[in-house]
Amino acid sequence: ELKVEQNPLFLSMQEGKNYTIYCNYSTTSDRLYWYRQDPGKSLESLFVLLSNGAVKQEGRLMASLDTKARLSTLHITAAVHDLSATYFCAVDIAQGAQKLVFGQGTRLTINP
Amino acid sequence: DAGITQSPRHKVTETGTPVTLRCHQTENHRYMYWYRQDPGHGLRLIHYSYGVKDTDKGEVSDGYSVSRSKTEDFLLTLESATSSQTSVYFCAISERLGEKLFFGSGTQLSVL
Repeated sequence: ELKVEQNPLFLSMQEGKNYTIYCNYSTTSDRLYWYRQDPGKSLESLFVLLSNGAVKQEGRLMASLDTKARLSTLHITAAVHDLSATYFCAVDIAQGAQKLVFGQGTRLTINP
Repeated sequence: DAGITQSPRHKVTETGTPVTLRCHQTENHRYMYWYRQDPGHGLRLIHYSYGVKDTDKGEVSDGYSVSRSKTEDFLLTLESATSSQTSVYFCAISERLGEKLFFGSGTQLSVL
């Protein structure tokens, strides 16, 4: 059974600081996704990582994928309050279909 | 929400009653998915569709059935609702494999 584990599950940080969320998964996959969810809202796609060594950046967020280590990271640079949200990683386990297995989510709170 | 409409947005029902949730898209995307979201579990795939009349099971399909008679509509049916099916249900769509999923606004279902 595939396991997708995020850590930390809860993160409280100050504005201006840097931090990293980790996503480990237990089976071979070269397709990994990051999503953001605000309280009571739907999920918003952040990044799609489709190969080993893939790195994508948008604004203060940067995601990377190491398929050999089965690890993805989401790095936050100089955090600002409006990045407060829950962040999910998801691993695609299927060939010929898109079956995502999600991590538990990391609830990020950024304090002024 | 990328042209995705879920209905109803909220529903309260009693144990043992049938319930149907609807997902309607205006994007003409091939792939459609039903997920449920529960605290501590992230999102879990219930069923998905890769074309009209083509559907398959996800990781938590027991107690659920789906139908897709038109490209734009994907129905999720709980034949006999149970309290364990109380959850937030999200529909998602994607145009091609390996691309990001777009999520609907969700349906909050309470089974009493």
